[in-house]
This record gives sequence, structure tokens and C-alpha cells, in this order.
Amino acid sequence: EAGVVQSPRYKIIEKKQPVAFWCNPISGHNTLYWYLQNLGQGPELLIRYENEEAVDDSQLPKDRFSAERLKGVDSTLKIQPAELGDSAVYLCASSRLAGEEAFFGQGTRLTVV
Amino acid sequence: AQSVTQLGSHVSVSEGALVLLRCNYSSSVPPYLFWYVQYPNQGLQLLLKYTTGATLVKGINGFEAEFKKSETSFHLTKPSAHMSDAAEYFCAVRGIGGNNRLAFGKGNQVVVIP
Repeated sequence: EAGVVQSPRYKIIEKKQPVAFWCNPISGHNTLYWYLQNLGQGPELLIRYENEEAVDDSQLPKDRFSAERLKGVDSTLKIQPAELGDSAVYLCASSRLAGEEAFFGQGTRLTVV
Repeated sequence: AQSVTQLGSHVSVSEGALVLLRCNYSSSVPPYLFWYVQYPNQGLQLLLKYTTGATLVKGINGFEAEFKKSETSFHLTKPSAHMSDAAEYFCAVRGIGGNNRLAFGKGNQVVVIP
């Protein structure tokens, strides 16, 4: 069974530019998460989807960040415009149901210069 | 809201010695508890989890953890460290019911000394 797939693995952009990350969860997993992980820190939840509905987005900086999960499968996280402080690893995870263990992708390492 | 405390960002252990990583949680209801491991440039991998039932939980790679409600703890142990155990370890807590947010601690970077 394929795991959670994220792309790209690495991204370097200049500040003020837009960037997008893509996530394909494990087949059949209804719950999808986007986490932000700063260096030396634990992951912090940005947004959680149940199917196509964003049920927990209180931590998402909505002035510059947006996310979508069309058709309740793949998801895209966008930053526009990017700032230097957005440099981090963005992790996507999925679980079959909200209360079950989450499986993580390898993450996208973003560097904003 | 649930939260997790992991003390000591870096933990050094000699090869063959006991690995002990401490995790304390706060939750208004009995939580689900998890330990994840992260190798360099990799995503997080589940080591073990506690949901209900037996409080001593065994996971992969010889790790185990014990849920102690009275101490609000879920410490991770391994009797004998191996070089391959060098990684970052995260404790996480999830509430039950309406709030299913999975909250992580800051992690412990484990260094194994030959």
C-alpha cells in the first residue's frame, strides 16, 4: 500500500513569491492534515479535513495561507506571498478516521530567501 | 485543549544502555497517546500508541511505553539502545470526541554513543 505522497520534496523561492504544496493521502483515508514543522520543534497543525470539509483551520494564517481538498482526496496548501519566516517543513498526514493514528508523508522543505 | 511536555531537547545514551524519554500530557479527558520517530529528512513514523485497555504498550523496534493516568505520563523506554535508534522522537496526544486535534511535544533528539 502506498503511503502519503507529498511533492515537491524541496522548494526554494524568493520572498513575496507564491508557492504550492501537494499531498496525496493513503487511499480510503477520510481525514487529512497539514502540519508545519519548524527546525527543532514538533509539528503544529495548520488545518484538518474530514473528506472535503475543513473542520479545524483555526491555526491557519488565512491572510497568506490557503488550502483545498477537492473531491475529498488530494489536497493543496498554498502560500501567497511567502515570507522569510515561512521557511520550514510542511507535513501532510492522513488517517482513516479522525480518531485513528495518522500516517505522515516525507514533507516538503521550504526555503524562502 | 490537549498539550504535551517533553523535557530535554537532546538526549545522549550509550549503545546498550537504557533509553528513557519522558512525556507528560494535559487533557481534560482520557486521551489517546502516541510516540512517533523521525529520521533525518523523513516523515514521522508511528512507534506505538495507547487508546484503551492495557496501560503498557509495546511498539516497533523494541520500544514500549506505559500510560500512567495518576502521573499524566506516557514515558517511552527501550532496554538497550542501538545505533539505529538515533533519531528524533515526538510524543503526541489526541482528545476524544469533538476535539480530535493531534498535538505534539517539541521532541527529543536522541544521540547514541558507541
